[in-house]
Amino acid sequence: EAQVTQNPRYLITVTGKKLTVTCSQNMNHEYMSWYRQDPGLGLRQIYYSMNVEVTDKGDVPEGYKVSRKEKRNFPLILESPSPNQTSLYFCARGTSGANEQFFGPGTRLTVL
Amino acid sequence: AQSVAQPEDQVNVAEGNPLTVKCTYSVSGNPYLFWYVQYPNRGLQFLLKYITGDNLVKGSYGFEAEFNKSQTSFHLKKPSALVSDSALYFCAVRDSGNTPLVFGKGTRLSVIA
Repeated sequence: EAQVTQNPRYLITVTGKKLTVTCSQNMNHEYMSWYRQDPGLGLRQIYYSMNVEVTDKGDVPEGYKVSRKEKRNFPLILESPSPNQTSLYFCARGTSGANEQFFGPGTRLTVL
Repeated sequence: AQSVAQPEDQVNVAEGNPLTVKCTYSVSGNPYLFWYVQYPNRGLQFLLKYITGDNLVKGSYGFEAEFNKSQTSFHLKKPSALVSDSALYFCAVRDSGNTPLVFGKGTRLSVIA
């Protein structure tokens, strides 16, 4: 079964404590992306990756880092989380940036 | 930069009636347009897309959308709504270049039995 896996699904942390949200796909897709969803704002793209070792900023990259060392994994790193990063985060995969994306189940992050 | 607008936060429709969820967009080049649906406590699911070709696009669950270049619109439609169609719907657009995908703020569809 084609999947996008995110871990953890729920996380409560404190300001300044570094965290990583993992994302993994089993379809060998080249394109992966991270979004955050906030009420009234829809989904906003944080970072995306067209292929291994190729990453680009989306609309709201500040405070986030990503890496794409292998095709299947695309972790989202918050070096020093702040309360304004409290949100619902989605990872997605796709055959390319031009085609439809398939989303993971989401990670609900709360930063106190 | 590309942008997308969903002018209605909420759409209410009676079961069996046709439904329309509106979307307008702005891009500098040729648009790549998408509709996604989000059911409660779930991730987004792809419904349909327009890249090129026929302006009327058919997708999953009986949904369709019409690309209108002159009006820069890509409205989502279904001839007969079901209660199970109640969900949050997102329109998204990207330029034909290597640009981020931009989502609208979403429209909550409520189908009443």
